[in-house]
Amino acid sequence: IAGITQAPTSQILAAGRRMTLRCTQDMRHNAMYWYRQDLGLGLRLIHYSNTAGTTGKGEVPDGYSVSRANTDDFPLTLASAVPSQTSVYFCASRAQGSSYNSPLHFGNGTRLTVT
Amino acid sequence: SQKIEQNSEALNIQEGKTATLTCNYTNYSPAYLQWYRQDPGRGPVFLLLIRENEKEKRKERLKVTFDTTLKQSLFHITASQPADSATYLCALITGYGGSQGNLIFGKGTKLSVKP
Repeated sequence: IAGITQAPTSQILAAGRRMTLRCTQDMRHNAMYWYRQDLGLGLRLIHYSNTAGTTGKGEVPDGYSVSRANTDDFPLTLASAVPSQTSVYFCASRAQGSSYNSPLHFGNGTRLTVT
Repeated sequence: SQKIEQNSEALNIQEGKTATLTCNYTNYSPAYLQWYRQDPGRGPVFLLLIRENEKEKRKERLKVTFDTTLKQSLFHITASQPADSATYLCALITGYGGSQGNLIFGKGTKLSVKP
């Protein structure tokens, strides 16, 4: 089934540890995104990639890094986790053309707890 | 910067009634606006897109309006059913070109339809 796969589905992580959240899509979408969702704050964009080999910062990039070595994969890394990074993380993709009106396709999220 | 507000955090209605959800934005009017549905523990799923030159868009029991004068979109679910219970998010792009083709989201309205 075409879509976005995120792993792990949940994780408890000690503060200061490094963690990579995985995201893979099989729709050949050129644009990919990482959002975090927190109660009362909604979805906020962390990083994005308009095409393989390029990345950009979103609204809340601090403490996170991404890479886009190929079209399908867009991992998100927390170099040294802090409790404020406790959140649900969603990866998304879309077939971004010149009109910017294509919808986002989301994975089912990674629930991360930093203790 | 562009901001989105969804007026109600929660909306409770009786089965069979029409649910109306509101999305307001500041600053410039986007070329189009999107609505998503999110179920607990899942990622958002795209429902509808409406363009600025479309006053109204329908899909089965769903209707979306777009008023660029009021800077507002309304999302209606007619003949609501308990299965419509979910959180509904509106989204629009931050602008055009480069980093500004990214979607920003409202915080969502949690709809509960009681039998």
